[in-house]
Amino acid sequence: DAMVIQNPRYQVTQFGKPVTLSCSQTLNHNVMYWYQQKSSQAPKLLFHYYDKDFNNEADTPDNFQSRRPNTSFCFLDIRSPGLGDAAMYLCATKRAGGFTDTQYFGPGTRLTVL
Amino acid sequence: RKEVEQDPGPFNVPEGATVAFNCTYSNSASQSFFWYRQDCRKEPKLLMSVYSSGNEDGRFTAQLNRASQYISLLIRDSKLSDSATYLCVVNAPFGNEKLTFGTGTRLTIIP
Repeated sequence: DAMVIQNPRYQVTQFGKPVTLSCSQTLNHNVMYWYQQKSSQAPKLLFHYYDKDFNNEADTPDNFQSRRPNTSFCFLDIRSPGLGDAAMYLCATKRAGGFTDTQYFGPGTRLTVL
Repeated sequence: RKEVEQDPGPFNVPEGATVAFNCTYSNSASQSFFWYRQDCRKEPKLLMSVYSSGNEDGRFTAQLNRASQYISLLIRDSKLSDSATYLCVVNAPFGNEKLTFGTGTRLTIIP
């Protein structure tokens, strides 16, 4: 059974046209993460939520925003996608405080910007 | 210095061979260590956690050397299905919920 679900799996948008990616989880984990991964690179953390507390990475562009309306759902909003934002976007979850606990990843959304 | 460093490869290894990857990390206060596997265009998936005493899961053995701040992964009797990118992942020190990923080592098993 899928535990971390991302929709859509593939998203095509036009340069500058806002796009929202969604993530949901059935694990009841209180930490949720958004990563950006480009070809042959490591996943790059954009931000994460610890419950409702939002933690932005210092180098995440303002173009990227996030919402977490409840424990199960988290959204990534890209306000004005540029060609450089084409990437795989990965959502992950983790149980807070368990330092040996790992992160569970969703299947990702592959974003294409035309 | 990168927080987590890996040899990017690629490693091209004949089927049945043994292959080893190393990874170094810079933060001596790091608490937890993992190896993830990532297939092409898929999400990373946990392969195994790495414990101080070393641990084994079938053909896979992981070791941690805290003094030298490196982690290793050994794959014995490699299979074609082992072809993937292997990511070394380190948890931040106490109180931080973030993981730091290495750039990955690409492995191709050749028939």
